[in-house]
Amino acid sequence: SAVISQKPSRDICQRGTSLTIQCQVDSQVTMMFWYRQQPGQSLTLIATANQGSEATYESGFVIDKFPISRPNLTFSTLTVSNMSPEDSSIYLCSVYGPTDTQYFGPGTRLTVL
Amino acid sequence: EDKVVQSPLSLVVHEGDTVTLNCSYEVTNFRSLLWYKQEKKAPTFLFMLTSSGIEKKSGRLSSILDKKELSSILNITATQTGDSAIYLCAVAPRGNNDMRFGAGTRLTVKP
Repeated sequence: SAVISQKPSRDICQRGTSLTIQCQVDSQVTMMFWYRQQPGQSLTLIATANQGSEATYESGFVIDKFPISRPNLTFSTLTVSNMSPEDSSIYLCSVYGPTDTQYFGPGTRLTVL
Repeated sequence: EDKVVQSPLSLVVHEGDTVTLNCSYEVTNFRSLLWYKQEKKAPTFLFMLTSSGIEKKSGRLSSILDKKELSSILNITATQTGDSAIYLCAVAPRGNNDMRFGAGTRLTVKP
């Protein structure tokens, strides 16, 4: 299985500020996925991050709000910009492992006041 | 639009009980169905099912896929308090690279 780490594990932020979440994988992967899980809800895909190209965003998510970087095959960042309380969620990065199974990082719990 | 529906949404049982969690899906070009257990933040992988009628088993947990009925079940026998979690079903369509998740079943096992 892939070993994925995320930083920070949690943060409390003020409205209007931005937070960048880092995701590090222990092996090279072509695609990394960013998910959001709002309180009491299931996981929703935000975007797919490909190395060397622009991220692909799902309906309802835009690059200005959630800019993503993918500088190499083991690392990605997701920024939550101009935060509001509605952005309070768990943010998870994910990759496909060797057996075509998707594995998740430990998650970042974000609270926006 | 792809859809994954889980039932029940929540379930409370006592230790030793057996539970069956359900997942039904509508997806274009089905590739695989996955079950995850989510206790705190991150889901942990349980099973991946691609073929109908073949049971996957891991200890007290087992799962099977029915492609004709577009559904899967996750069974947990002799439940323990440590089984308390949200169980997520996800479907991966062929040709796409992301998964669609169901809402999850919140299982509570009481001593």
